[in-house]
Amino acid sequence: DAEITQSPRHKITETGRQVTLACHQTWNHNNMFWYRQDLGHGLRLIHYSYGVQDTNKGEVSDGYSVSRSNTEDLPLTLESAASSQTSVYFCASSELPSGRRDTQYFGPGTRLTVL
Amino acid sequence: QKEVEQNSGPLSVPEGAIASLNCTYSDRGSQSFFWYRQYSGKSPELIMFIYSNGDKEDGRFTAQLNKASQYVSLLIRDSQPSDSATYLCAVNVNNDMRFGAGTRLTVKP
Repeated sequence: DAEITQSPRHKITETGRQVTLACHQTWNHNNMFWYRQDLGHGLRLIHYSYGVQDTNKGEVSDGYSVSRSNTEDLPLTLESAASSQTSVYFCASSELPSGRRDTQYFGPGTRLTVL
Repeated sequence: QKEVEQNSGPLSVPEGAIASLNCTYSDRGSQSFFWYRQYSGKSPELIMFIYSNGDKEDGRFTAQLNKASQYVSLLIRDSQPSDSATYLCAVNVNNDMRFGAGTRLTVKP
């Protein structure tokens, strides 16, 4: 069955370190998204991609970067981790562009703690 | 003003009752509206989407959209304890999905 996976599921790191969160989907979807979820803020879009070599900034992109070298993967990198980036991160994918007649399928999430 | 606003709850209803979840949005250009359910510690899963004014029914769930009032709601009929979760409203804004903070629903047996 097609799925979307994230790794690691839990990560503890120190301030200033570079961290990469992996996202892999086997839906063969062109569109992939990274969100963070914090209490009181709901899900906020960090970056998204509509295809290979395409990346776009979302609502809260500062301090994060992504790259899309193939259809299946969209890794999220925290260039220099900060305590404010402690959060739960969700990756999602969809067949059609955001907001159209599509469903975004979410991964299980990665809980990141920055000490 | 947040782009998508929801009452954080908690909303508590007895088993078998109708649960009504509300969401307002600020961008009149929004075209697509979604309801997701998220169990504690789990990822969001899509329940329904709606694009046109009026009601859309799917089993025990009914989504209602009123673009003039910038209001979208979700009704859950015959609520079950298994419906206890956080419900996220999402709105397409310029091809970005904007999520509300969610309403926590508890269905008491």
